[in-house]
Amino acid sequence: DGGITQSPKYLFRKEGQNVTLSCEQNLNHDAMYWYRQDPGQGLRLIYYSQIVNDFQKGDIAEGYSVSREKKESFPLTVTSAQKNPTAFYLCASSIDGPPVKLHFGNGTRLTVT
Amino acid sequence: KNQVEQSPQSLIILEGKNCTLQCNYTVSPFSNLRWYKQDTGRGPVSLTIMTFSENTKSNGRYTATLDADTKQSSLHITASQLSDSASYICVVSPYGGSQGNLIFGKGTKLSVKP
Repeated sequence: DGGITQSPKYLFRKEGQNVTLSCEQNLNHDAMYWYRQDPGQGLRLIYYSQIVNDFQKGDIAEGYSVSREKKESFPLTVTSAQKNPTAFYLCASSIDGPPVKLHFGNGTRLTVT
Repeated sequence: KNQVEQSPQSLIILEGKNCTLQCNYTVSPFSNLRWYKQDTGRGPVSLTIMTFSENTKSNGRYTATLDADTKQSSLHITASQLSDSASYICVVSPYGGSQGNLIFGKGTKLSVKP
């Protein structure tokens, strides 16, 4: 079945460590996205990519980095510069062009202590 | 400022009852509005999309309405089931906006009790 796979489901890190969240899709979608979800808040865009080797910052890109070396993969690195990294991270993909229908993975819950 | 407001924040209903969730937006110009269902600990899944010219659209027991003049949408759930317990998120796309320019509401958390 086609879909988006995020791994791991749960991730624990010590403060000051960088951590990379994996996102893989086999839907052949051109666009991929990373969102952050916090309790009581709407999803906030971190980064998105419309084609391989190209990506744009979203509203809260500071402290995060991404790469898009392959169409299928869009890993997110949470760096030590991110002041409040504990959150639920959602990866999504879509076909190109409007209307945008996001296909989400099942998320990674990152806890930093 | 483009915003999407959802109400109520949370809702508890008994199994078998109907309910209506609201979404008000200030996005202009408007392209489309989509409702997503998010089960706890999982990613959202699209339920339906409403474009400017559409007033009503159904997907099984879910019926979405759109009033583009008042910038309001509703999601009506008929004969609720325990599996309807989830958060429902309203997402608006501005006309001409990029794919990264979606505006999310904070969601309504629905609990269906037996």
